[in-house]
Amino acid sequence: ETGVTQSPTHLIKTRGQQVTLRCSSQSGHNTVSWYQQALGQGPQFIFQYYREEENGRGNFPPRFSGLQFPNYSSELNVNALELDDSALYLCASSPPGARQETQYFGPGTRLLVL
Amino acid sequence: GEDVEQSLFLSVREGDSSVINCTYTDSSSTYLYWYKQEPGAGLQLLTYIFSNMDMKQDQRLTVLLNKKDKHLSLRIADTQTGDSAIYFCAENGSSNTGKLIFGQGTTLQVKP
Repeated sequence: ETGVTQSPTHLIKTRGQQVTLRCSSQSGHNTVSWYQQALGQGPQFIFQYYREEENGRGNFPPRFSGLQFPNYSSELNVNALELDDSALYLCASSPPGARQETQYFGPGTRLLVL
Repeated sequence: GEDVEQSLFLSVREGDSSVINCTYTDSSSTYLYWYKQEPGAGLQLLTYIFSNMDMKQDQRLTVLLNKKDKHLSLRIADTQTGDSAIYFCAENGSSNTGKLIFGQGTTLQVKP
């Protein structure tokens, strides 16, 4: 069974650019959540996708957007990057019927904005 | 409100028990979680407890929940150097959005 995978592992961008991060959910999982983890902090919820629709959103501006595809993989897009967007971005997937109860995390993408 | 608090650091000797504590504010949370994060890695789900339970044991891990005081603890028996990591407590809150609310993490240092 393949776990949650994310790409790329590391990324360096400059302020004002746009970035796309990708996530493949664990086999059989149909819900994907995205979190931002700043250095030394706990993860902060960005949003969750279920059946290709945004199911819930945290306190992040509209320049953070996402997609979920029919195969349940997902993308996180961030426009107009700011220095404070530098963080570890974590994707988590959940099996059917357990959108909240069990979230399994990938290794993350570390984004550095210069 | 939504807030999860943890102490920042715990140091123990190998073989001792470790107890990591957490307090949360949302009494409507139905699930509470413990995750482990090793350096440079993602989060590993260690265990979770349903809010109508007081205790859950899984091999070396024991979770205690005091719902009245909104206090959660994770006990690791016979702590090993491989247990050195950051441990996060999380709650699922009252919304049905899939949002998990995390504490800031407790760094566990295990000395040989």
